Amino acid sequence: QQQVKQSPQSLIVQKGGISIINCAYENTAFDYFPWYQQFPGKGPALLIAIRPDVSEKKEGRFTISFNKSAKQFSLHIMDSQPGDSATYFCAASSGGYQKVTFGTGTKLQVIP
Amino acid sequence: DARVTQTPRHKVTEMGQEVTMRCQPILGHNTVFWYRQTMMQGLELLAYFRNRAPLDDSGMPKDRFSAEMPDATLATLKIQPSEPRDSAVYFCASAGDSYNSPLHFGNGTRLTVT
Repeated sequence: QQQVKQSPQSLIVQKGGISIINCAYENTAFDYFPWYQQFPGKGPALLIAIRPDVSEKKEGRFTISFNKSAKQFSLHIMDSQPGDSATYFCAASSGGYQKVTFGTGTKLQVIP
Repeated sequence: DARVTQTPRHKVTEMGQEVTMRCQPILGHNTVFWYRQTMMQGLELLAYFRNRAPLDDSGMPKDRFSAEMPDATLATLKIQPSEPRDSAVYFCASAGDSYNSPLHFGNGTRLTVT
């Protein structure tokens, strides 16, 4: 049973454009939603995270939007750059524990 | 810059052989995870430890996989006997004590079983 569904599987965006990745979850006990970024040959690394008591969190060009009633959250990358080309994973956990359930990943390619 | 160290980075072995992967978590991190990444399944949690005690290994095929933490600086994942379907990238991650402490991943062991 996939608890965190992520789309699209892959995404091509032109430099300067907006990249949008969407995730949906089922388990209402989830209370922490991180996004991880993975470059080829490397392990995933935390990019940005949000708690469900806020609807949006912004860090530089990266913004998480969160809709608790719809059980959906999304990552927006503004002014996308070739250096943002990577695989992005949404994730969720509950109770402050680090046991994290990951989405299936989105491979982003930003073309010049 | 503290980081999780995994060895070996690459391993090619024949079906039926034993494989041992090692992980050195970040000093002071008390929670250690093993994940497996494949194209089909994405990132799957195999097992995790807190303060060296196994908390959950429900994601691991028990008949062939075993995970241990002999001490606070070493975690191991063993497959015996290995099968071609075990071919994947295996990641170790560690996390600290604080609430929602982020996972710090190593760079993985790429396992190929022929």
